[in-house]
Amino acid sequence: GENVEQHPSTLSVQEGDSAVIKCTYSDSASNYFPWYKQELGKGPQLIIDIRSNVGEKKDQRIAVTLNKTAKHFSLHITETQPEDSAVYFCAASRGGSSNTGKLIFGQGTTLQVKP
Amino acid sequence: IAGITQAPTSQILAAGRRMTLRCTQDMRHNAMYWYRQDLGLGLRLIHYSNTAGTTGKGEVPDGYSVSRANTDDFPLTLASAVPSQTSVYFCASSAASTGGELFFGEGSRLTVL
Repeated sequence: GENVEQHPSTLSVQEGDSAVIKCTYSDSASNYFPWYKQELGKGPQLIIDIRSNVGEKKDQRIAVTLNKTAKHFSLHITETQPEDSAVYFCAASRGGSSNTGKLIFGQGTTLQVKP
Repeated sequence: IAGITQAPTSQILAAGRRMTLRCTQDMRHNAMYWYRQDLGLGLRLIHYSNTAGTTGKGEVPDGYSVSRANTDDFPLTLASAVPSQTSVYFCASSAASTGGELFFGEGSRLTVL
C-alpha cells in the first residue's frame, strides 16, 4: 500500500522567512496530494491540494510543487507569519472510480514562526 | 453549521472496557472516515465508509469496528480497550465517495489505563 514520508518533523523560522516541507510517496498510482494544517486543539483543515496532472499550484503565500517522476511533493510558505505556526500534514491518495477516497498521511511537521 | 460533531471530547477508560466514539455530520457527505493521531506517526486511517451501508478497513483496523446505518452517523467501537489504543481520534467526511477534501471533527482524546 501507499507510504508517505514527511520531513522535517520540526521546523523553526523567523517571521518573514520562507518555510519548505517535503514529502515522498511510494504508490505511483497516487494522483491526489493535499496539505492540511492543524492548529492546537483542532482538527486538520485543507489548505491546498494538487493533482498529478499539474506540476505546481499557488494560493497567495502558499504553493505546492509535485515531481511525479521522483514521487515527491513539497509545500512552500513565503513571508511566514506567526499565525502560520501549526502542524502541517501532507497526504496522498488514488483518484478515480477505483478510489475509496483513502488518504494516507505523512508524519506531520511542527512549524514554529518566531516573531 | 456544525459540520462534524464528535463525542466525547475526552475520556479515560479502564483496559478491557468497551467504548464507542460518536461521530455525526450534517453536511450530507457520502464518505466518512476514522483516523487516529499519535505523535510522530501522523494520522492513520482506521476504518472508512464510502456510503451508507458500506464500510472498509484502513491501515490500522485491528481492535476497532464501525457501522454506517445512515448517512449522518459513523460510530467507532473499541470492543475491549487496550493501552495502545490511547490516542486522539478524528472523524472526517468527504462529499464524494471517491475522496477529495476531508472535513475533520475536533477530535476525541482517549486514554486507556
